Amino acid sequence: DAGVTQSPTHLIKTRGQQVTLRCSPISGHKSVSWYQQVLGQGPQFIFQYYEKEERGRGNFPDRFSARQFPNYSSELNVNALLLGDSALYLCASSREMNTEAFFGQGTRLTVV
Amino acid sequence: AQSVSQHNHHVILSEAASLELGCNYSYGGTVNLFWYVQYPGQHLQLLLKYFSGDPLVKGIKGFEAEFIKSKFSFNLRKPSVQWSDTAEYFCAVISVGGATNKLIFGTGTLLAVQP
Repeated sequence: DAGVTQSPTHLIKTRGQQVTLRCSPISGHKSVSWYQQVLGQGPQFIFQYYEKEERGRGNFPDRFSARQFPNYSSELNVNALLLGDSALYLCASSREMNTEAFFGQGTRLTVV
Repeated sequence: AQSVSQHNHHVILSEAASLELGCNYSYGGTVNLFWYVQYPGQHLQLLLKYFSGDPLVKGIKGFEAEFIKSKFSFNLRKPSVQWSDTAEYFCAVISVGGATNKLIFGTGTLLAVQP
């Protein structure tokens, strides 16, 4: 079985631009979560979607948005990029709520 | 607010040494506990998990962890480390019954095993 796949793997954007990151969960998994990981820290929760509904949002500004599609894949959008948005963005999928999460390789976003 | 503390930020060991990484969490309710590992250049992988039952859980590659509810701790152990255990280790918690299953991560412990 394929694991969690994320695209693109690397991305360089300019301040003020917008970016869309994509995630395909493991087959059969209904929940997708997004995390931001900056160097020296653990991943920080951004969003969780379950059965296409937003189930949680972390302490991130409204420039961050996400959605989950009928096939359970997900997109994370970030508008008006700031230098501080440079990070590794991780997608995780879970079969159900409160079960273990499986992570993708991440998308390394660099804002210049 | 919920938080997870990992006391050791950087650990250096020689091969065959024993390992114990500390993890404490702050949350009064029921939790699910996890240890994730990130090998150089690879994605986060689940090492072991605790949901309920026997507080001593065994994971992959000879790792184990003990849940001590009274101490809000979930320390990771391995009796004899190998060079291939060099990685970053993250402790994480989910509060059970909440509206989300967001993982709260610690800051991670970077383990370097010297051959």
